[in-house]
Amino acid sequence: KAGVTQTPRYLIKTRGQQVTLSCSPISGHRSVSWYQQTPGQGLQFLFEYFSETQRNKGNFPGRFSGRQFSNSRSEMNVSTLELGDSALYLCASSLAAGGDLSYEQYFGPGTRLTVT
Amino acid sequence: GQNIDQPTEMTATEGAIVQINCTYQTSGFNGLFWYQQHAGEAPTFLSYNVLDGLEEKGRFSSFLSRSKGYSYLLLKELQMKDSASYLCATETDSWGKLQFGAGTQVVVTP
Repeated sequence: KAGVTQTPRYLIKTRGQQVTLSCSPISGHRSVSWYQQTPGQGLQFLFEYFSETQRNKGNFPGRFSGRQFSNSRSEMNVSTLELGDSALYLCASSLAAGGDLSYEQYFGPGTRLTVT
Repeated sequence: GQNIDQPTEMTATEGAIVQINCTYQTSGFNGLFWYQQHAGEAPTFLSYNVLDGLEEKGRFSSFLSRSKGYSYLLLKELQMKDSASYLCATETDSWGKLQFGAGTQVVVTP
């Protein structure tokens, strides 16, 4: 069974630009969560999607957005990039169904974004 | 609010045992995860505790005390490949959101 895949793996952008990152979950997983990882702040939750609906959102500005498609693939978008957005962006998928909270999350390899 | 504490770094020799403690103060606590993360790689799932007690998986064991807000990960028969960051994460009544500690860097020496 294939794992979580993320594209691209590496990305370099300049301030003010926007970026879209993609995540394909493990087959059969319908929940996708996104995280930002930086040396200073560690792993921080961005948002979670299930059945094309955002169910949960972390404390990030509105420049960070996402969506999920009917095949459970998810994208996140960051507009008006700032230097501080340089980070490893990880997505994780899980089997969590509509009313379930307790399922382990499996992480993709991440997208390393560098903003110059 | 949510607060998770774990030691920054631990060093141990090959073949030894290391115990990584994690304390948390989390509202709506549901369960606790441990992940391993090698430098430059994604976190990989190690264990998940919902009920109090010890869960054993080969060389790795994880313990949870919900009343004390405390967990530990026990790594036995340490190998060089166990050198990595170990992340403690709480799951709450909040869909899809894991709250992570800063991670404990374990260094295994020959």
